[in-house]
Amino acid sequence: ETGVTQSPTHLIKTRGQQVTLRCSSQSGHNTVSWYQQALGQGPQFIFQYYREEENGRGNFPPRFSGLQFPNYSSELNVNALELDDSALYLCASSHKKVVGNEKLFFGSGTQLSVL
Amino acid sequence: QKEVEQDPGPLSVPEGAIVSLNCTYSNSAFQYFMWYRQYSRKGPELLMYTYSSGNKEDGRFTAQVDKSSKYISLFIRDSQPSDSATYLCAMSSSTGANSKLTFGKGITLSVRP
Repeated sequence: ETGVTQSPTHLIKTRGQQVTLRCSSQSGHNTVSWYQQALGQGPQFIFQYYREEENGRGNFPPRFSGLQFPNYSSELNVNALELDDSALYLCASSHKKVVGNEKLFFGSGTQLSVL
Repeated sequence: QKEVEQDPGPLSVPEGAIVSLNCTYSNSAFQYFMWYRQYSRKGPELLMYTYSSGNKEDGRFTAQVDKSSKYISLFIRDSQPSDSATYLCAMSSSTGANSKLTFGKGITLSVRP
């Protein structure tokens, strides 16, 4: 059973650029959630994808968008990067979209730095 | 006021100490309570899970939830240097915004040999 893998592990961009982060979910999982973790903070929910549809979104602007593919892998896209977007971006996969009684499996994250 | 508040850190204890980590919350809809452990440069991993009020024990770890006080705790007995990590409390509701976890900001624990 493979775990959640994210790529790239590190990324440096400049303000105004666009970035795409990728996530492969754990085998058998059809739900992917994305979280942003700023330095010294807990993860903040960005959105969740269940069977290729967005199912729940946190308090993030529309320039944060995502996709989920038929194999349940996922992408997070951020347009018009701002300095405050610098953070660790975490992907988590699970069997179910209701996460309260479900174990989320997190990847190691992509560390994004915006200069 | 944030939905979930976690005691600030960092926390440093000697090996063998009992550690108490705490969170408070304001959202009465939270029904599921979790503790995640995050090692440096890694993603969080689920350590303990509790539904509604009560206690749950797993080896050296005990999780407590007091819904009347909106307070949750994690106790670590006989702490080990390998327990050194950031501990995050997380919560979720059973209805409405049930697709997300709401995390505390985390507390970094260091266990000294």
